[in-house]
Amino acid sequence: ETGVTQTPRHLVMGMTNKKSLKCEQHLGHNAMYWYKQSAKKPLELMFVYNFKEQTENNSVPSRFSPECPNSSHLFLHLHTLQPEDSALYLCASSQRAGEADTQYFGPGTRLTVL
Amino acid sequence: GQNIDQPTEMTATEGAIVQINCTYQTSGFNGLFWYQQHAGEAPTFLSYNVLDGLEEKGRFSSFLSRSKGYSYLLLKELQMKDSASYLCAVRDSNYQLIWGAGTKLIIKP
Repeated sequence: ETGVTQTPRHLVMGMTNKKSLKCEQHLGHNAMYWYKQSAKKPLELMFVYNFKEQTENNSVPSRFSPECPNSSHLFLHLHTLQPEDSALYLCASSQRAGEADTQYFGPGTRLTVL
Repeated sequence: GQNIDQPTEMTATEGAIVQINCTYQTSGFNGLFWYQQHAGEAPTFLSYNVLDGLEEKGRFSSFLSRSKGYSYLLLKELQMKDSASYLCAVRDSNYQLIWGAGTKLIIKP
């Protein structure tokens, strides 16, 4: 248990569906991250929020839409996804973005797009 | 471009020692991390090196040589539960984490 929870753990959706992934951290951190993890590939940073402000968007397609209502919660809204978007989506948090601290990860949501 | 290289897969025997190497080319350096990730679970933090040398933490040790762009994770007295993927990540000059693809470690009895 790392103090970062994600729901759902598994999600299967069609290309026309709309769904949301949720992340919550109980560590008192101020930065939250979304990563995509595909088999045998490095973790890909998608979005970074620091004190609820988005500070990083690594050229992520607009079919992925993040939301950070407060420092403890992070969402990833999904719509009209493609089969190549199937992956493990990991959420992480740290004390502050852009500083020398450690990121702590949630268990991820395994997403399958049909 | 920035790059982290680590072996895709390694196999070792229970009770033995294994060394997982990581080499990196990044824009600047502000520390190197090792994480462990069991299948279907969260990556969990193992170690952090920012200065050259060896950091020991129980059965796990991590070494860094900044001049060589090289690190290794050493696992001693291997146990079956050590079967997992081990991720190497380097923090660059912008404090972004650059990740390797991970090394899948298989432990055999």
